[in-house]
Amino acid sequence: AQSVSQHNHHVILSEAASLELGCNYSYGGTVNLFWYVQYPGQHLQLLLKYFSGDPLVKGIKGFEAEFIKSKFSFNLRKPSVQWSDTAEYFCAVMNTGNQFYFGTGTSLTVIP
Amino acid sequence: KAGVTQTPRYLIKTRGQQVTLSCSPISGHRSVSWYQQTPGQGLQFLFEYFSETQRNKGNFPGRFSGRQFSNSRSEMNVSTLELGDSALYLCASSLDGTGVGQPQHFGDGTRLSIL
Repeated sequence: AQSVSQHNHHVILSEAASLELGCNYSYGGTVNLFWYVQYPGQHLQLLLKYFSGDPLVKGIKGFEAEFIKSKFSFNLRKPSVQWSDTAEYFCAVMNTGNQFYFGTGTSLTVIP
Repeated sequence: KAGVTQTPRYLIKTRGQQVTLSCSPISGHRSVSWYQQTPGQGLQFLFEYFSETQRNKGNFPGRFSGRQFSNSRSEMNVSTLELGDSALYLCASSLDGTGVGQPQHFGDGTRLSIL
């Protein structure tokens, strides 16, 4: 069965620390990859997406993610986090059958 | 333009009842997907509708069903409710979901609590 794994369930960082959230998926075919963010009390929002081309994609608010096909990974990074980045982050994969698979999410808490 | 609208926002039901949730997609979006979000399982795909037809289906029992109308609005129905059905049900819409990486736009969800 296809799945998306986010290994970090809860991450706590101090402001200005660097962030990397892991995401691995199990699907051998062509995929589209996404990171969504859910701020407290708000609905899911798209952070960034990968369709094809440059495997390093840049999103909003200084986030970026790198698609490494050989590792089936799409890790999310940010060089310096802010308190306002406190949120839940979801990695998602869409396969060629248009089915979305989401990871269980990573809760990020940034301490001022 | 208006985002994805889900009604109602909150719902309380008892075991054995049935419930219908509604989703109005962004204007012009023809694909509507439904998800169940729980603390333990995260986001799980229920089904996707496109042009009034169910195009994809996740691994949920037949108690979970849906439909889409000609204006792309969608409803999800859950019959014979169980305690484990307590969750946030999210609806997401996209232009046509043809697999070219179109992102989904999510609504605020309907919080369903089963007593």
